[in-house]
Amino acid sequence: GEDVEQSLFLSVREGDSSVINCTYTDSSSTYLYWYKQEPGAGLQLLTYIFSNMDMKQDQRLTVLLNKKDKHLSLRIADTQTGDSAIYFCAEADQTGANNLFFGTGTRLTVIP
Amino acid sequence: ETGVTQSPTHLIKTRGQQVTLRCSSQSGHNTVSWYQQALGQGPQFIFQYYREEENGRGNFPPRFSGLQFPNYSSELNVNALELDDSALYLCASSLDSRSAGNTIYFGEGSWLTVV
Repeated sequence: GEDVEQSLFLSVREGDSSVINCTYTDSSSTYLYWYKQEPGAGLQLLTYIFSNMDMKQDQRLTVLLNKKDKHLSLRIADTQTGDSAIYFCAEADQTGANNLFFGTGTRLTVIP
Repeated sequence: ETGVTQSPTHLIKTRGQQVTLRCSSQSGHNTVSWYQQALGQGPQFIFQYYREEENGRGNFPPRFSGLQFPNYSSELNVNALELDDSALYLCASSLDSRSAGNTIYFGEGSWLTVV
């Protein structure tokens, strides 16, 4: 089955850039996603990238996709304290219900 | 605000009991998926309902069951609760069963504690 892996923790100083990495196994994934979860809250879709793209930029967020290495990254420019949260990378199951497979999440801590 | 509402937001149950969680999908969405998120983990797919029929299931035992109603709202039922069922249960709605992730909307979740 699909397997999505992320490092568990990342700490950055306010104003610096954050880079959160993810590796996935299903090469047939059409879309790959980044979700944000704040403490005690549900999931917020941050951005997504179609598999035929290498890069997508959306304001402070940049997604890079390396299909050959099955590696996805999320860069947050000018990281703010409000960016402190858990970030999940996810891929969609193409074979059935189009459900999402999530990684274990990366906890980003922004130090003032 | 995603337009997906879940109830209750928090509840505590005793081991062996049964629980029903509810989800109202976004207007116009005919597909509802349920996910379980244990503490410190990513969400895991339980099952999906499309037009009132189960349309895919993850690796969960039969004591996890669901329903979808004609208005496309949905229920998740868990029988014979175990301590490991303690988790955040998330509902996601989408326009149809093949919707891409940019059109899958999550509710805020229901926190279940089993004691």
